[in-house]
Amino acid sequence: KAGVTQTPRYLIKTRGQQVTLSCSPISGHRSVSWYQQTPGQGLQFLFEYFSETQRNKGNFPGRFSGRQFSNSRSEMNVSTLELGDSALYLCASSSNRGRGEKLLFGSGTQLSVL
Amino acid sequence: GDSVTQMEGPVTLSEEAFLTINCTYTATGYPSLFWYVQYPGEGLQLLLKATKADDKGSNKGFEATYRKETTSFHLEKGSVQVSDSAVYFCALIPAGGNTPLVFGKGTRLSVIA
Repeated sequence: KAGVTQTPRYLIKTRGQQVTLSCSPISGHRSVSWYQQTPGQGLQFLFEYFSETQRNKGNFPGRFSGRQFSNSRSEMNVSTLELGDSALYLCASSSNRGRGEKLLFGSGTQLSVL
Repeated sequence: GDSVTQMEGPVTLSEEAFLTINCTYTATGYPSLFWYVQYPGEGLQLLLKATKADDKGSNKGFEATYRKETTSFHLEKGSVQVSDSAVYFCALIPAGGNTPLVFGKGTRLSVIA
């Protein structure tokens, strides 16, 4: 069974650009959550999607957005990139609402903003 | 709001040493508590969990006990191996369960032979 797949693995962008990250959950999983991981702030929740609907949203500015498609694949978009957006972005999928014991994480997308 | 506080790292131990990583939390009611591990270049994996007071979670030689009176969930292992080198995250889901995981900032463990 394939794991959670995140693409691309690495990204380098410059300030002001926008970026789209992709996450393919485990087959049959309908919930996808996104987290931002930085050395200073640790892991911070961005948002969760379940059956194409955003169920929870973290405390991030509107530049961060996401969506989920009918096949449960999810994308997150960051517009007008800032240096502080450099981070590892992790996606996690689960079969239900994403309780901790059910979450399966991908390896992440490492975003560097120059 | 709900929060998790972990001991600052990095922690460096010799192989076969005893490991403790402290974790305390702030939350109302009875949250569910978790330890996740992140190996280099990988995502997070659930290591163990406890869902009520006095529960002990265990896996791969690691243990943690849910202590309501001290609001703690310290991770322990009696004899660490080089392969245990990773970043360890303490996390909680608030009582009610329909909200996302709240993570601590992580503790990096390095085990040397």
